[in-house]
Amino acid sequence: QQQVKQSPQSLIVQKGGISIINCAYENTAFDYFPWYQQFPGKGPALLIAIRPDVSEKKEGRFTISFNKSAKQFSLHIMDSQPGDSATYFCAASKGNTDKLIFGTGTRLQVFP
Amino acid sequence: DAGITQSPRHKVTETGTPVTLRCHQTENHRYMYWYRQDPGHGLRLIHYSYGVKDTDKGEVSDGYSVSRSKTEDFLLTLESATSSQTSVYFCATLAGVGDTQYFGPGTRLTVL
Repeated sequence: QQQVKQSPQSLIVQKGGISIINCAYENTAFDYFPWYQQFPGKGPALLIAIRPDVSEKKEGRFTISFNKSAKQFSLHIMDSQPGDSATYFCAASKGNTDKLIFGTGTRLQVFP
Repeated sequence: DAGITQSPRHKVTETGTPVTLRCHQTENHRYMYWYRQDPGHGLRLIHYSYGVKDTDKGEVSDGYSVSRSKTEDFLLTLESATSSQTSVYFCATLAGVGDTQYFGPGTRLTVL
């Protein structure tokens, strides 16, 4: 049972371009939506998170867009850099102390 | 890594043997989690703890048990390892409401 669906599975972007990763969820009780970044051989690290009371959150080059009615949220990476090459996971939970349900991940490659 | 260490970092074992993975944290965080990461599945919660001796099951708990006798340590035990338990295991911690789940560096387990 895949409660959080993530796409695409992989993404190749030119340096300076925009990377967009999408997630859709099923459980309307979810109210915390984080994005994690993972480099090879490392644990996931929180990148940015949003709650459903706002439709967008921006931190530097990273923006989360949230559509509550469509039960979708997305990560936009502006001016993508080779150092952004990593695997990105979306997740959702009911409150941030509850268990996180992760998407299946997107491998992003940014070429110079 | 928010003061999280995992041991061992790599382990190769044989089917049917017991295995214990250790997660140690130095931040006195209340919540601790064990996830497994597999290609195509993202991260899936195995068990979690919300205090000393307080634990609960996640979505993939079959074949695993946990114990938490001290705040700083959360042990994951595979009573009789199977090849399907070959995976990368991540521990995570969370201080409380409003905080973020921080992940450890992971343990790569291979069951032959």
